[in-house]
Amino acid sequence: GENVEQHPSTLSVQEGDSAVIKCTYSDSASNYFPWYKQELGKRPQLIIDIRSNVGEKKDQRIAVTLNKTAKHFSLHITETQPEDSAVYFCAAGTGGFKTIFGAGTRLFVKA
Amino acid sequence: DGGITQSPKYLFRKEGQNVTLSCEQNLNHDAMYWYRQDPGQGLRLIYYSQIVNDFQKGDIAEGYSVSREKKESFPLTVTSAQKNPTAFYLCASSPRVPDYTIYFGEGSWLTVV
Repeated sequence: GENVEQHPSTLSVQEGDSAVIKCTYSDSASNYFPWYKQELGKRPQLIIDIRSNVGEKKDQRIAVTLNKTAKHFSLHITETQPEDSAVYFCAAGTGGFKTIFGAGTRLFVKA
Repeated sequence: DGGITQSPKYLFRKEGQNVTLSCEQNLNHDAMYWYRQDPGQGLRLIYYSQIVNDFQKGDIAEGYSVSREKKESFPLTVTSAQKNPTAFYLCASSPRVPDYTIYFGEGSWLTVV
């Protein structure tokens, strides 16, 4: 079946450094790529998304890039802060129930 | 996303008992979903419903049942047939068109004792 691979599973950075999380997907029909942030014991919350007609999207310290040819997309967080510590999930698909989630990346930002 | 309400937040169940988790949304979304999350794991789809009175099995439907009698409500029953039900359960919803982004409720923790 279709799947989404996410790397790394754990990422530790120093406050102020950048963090990059990478995902690959298998379904070439995928056209929607959201990213969610989940704090401990809380619900996943959408932080940014990108559609296949766009190669890059930024929102303050967060950016997402998409390479449809290689089926890769990445989340970039600059100037990391302790409150960025959480689990981040990528997802790919055509939306709704056809959204496939990655296994998650646990990000630790050390003060 | 604050328009998806799950209850209870915490639930303890004895083995052999069925339990029902409630999910209500006031976002006027057509589609609703149930996901299961185990500690340190990703999100696995249990059931989804794209329209009232219709629902489909997801990847791990065995031992679960749902109903969709109202657009706003999508309760999940964890039956005694579910062998390992202890997990964090997330209800979610999305519009069908044109924006099909999934929004999650606050989640329900189920523990079997």
